Amino acid sequence: SQTIHQWPATLVQPVGSPLSLECTVEGTSNPNLYWYRQAAGRGLQLLFYSVGIGQISSEVPQNLSASRPQDRQFILSSKKLLLSDSGFYLCAWSTGGSYQPQHFGDGTRLSIL
Amino acid sequence: AQSVTQLGSHVSVSEGALVLLRCNYSSSVPPYLFWYVQYPNQGLQLLLKYTTGATLVKGINGFEAEFKKSETSFHLTKPSAHMSDAAEYFCAVSDLVFGNEKLTFGTGTRLTIIP
Repeated sequence: SQTIHQWPATLVQPVGSPLSLECTVEGTSNPNLYWYRQAAGRGLQLLFYSVGIGQISSEVPQNLSASRPQDRQFILSSKKLLLSDSGFYLCAWSTGGSYQPQHFGDGTRLSIL
Repeated sequence: AQSVTQLGSHVSVSEGALVLLRCNYSSSVPPYLFWYVQYPNQGLQLLLKYTTGATLVKGINGFEAEFKKSETSFHLTKPSAHMSDAAEYFCAVSDLVFGNEKLTFGTGTRLTIIP
């Protein structure tokens, strides 16, 4: 069966520090991969998605970037964190096809001080 | 572009009562629709989905939803609420972007169960 792993579960970082959040999927090949941010009391905002290695589409211009160095690995990064980057970050995967659901990791709670 | 509206950001029901969470969508093409549940500090878990065929869809934990094209709705119901149903629920519609499928989520409905 397929599984998705996200780490770390929680992270506290100072303003201006770098960020790296990692997500890996097991049990499937060539998945679509997604990064979302969920701010307190709000819905999900799609940040990036990827249909293959090295293929990244950005949904919202911002302080973050994403990379996909391997088929089942998706990394969310920042060179300098802002206070507004605080939130709950979720990684998800799907097998592709509009009728296919996305499957989510357990998320990373990021607090910026 | 597709969109989703969830009426009621907070819903409270008594234990054992009917749960009804509302979702309306807009789409220029036949939609694929999903309901997800999120427990505190966790990711989203798929409850059920509608793609084609039977318009009444049954999901996990006793939930079901009915696709009504004429009303552009996909409301989520459960006959008898349980304390463990307390969570946030998200309705989503699939964006038919060729070669890369994205979901558009509603803003969520927080369900509280009153003992």
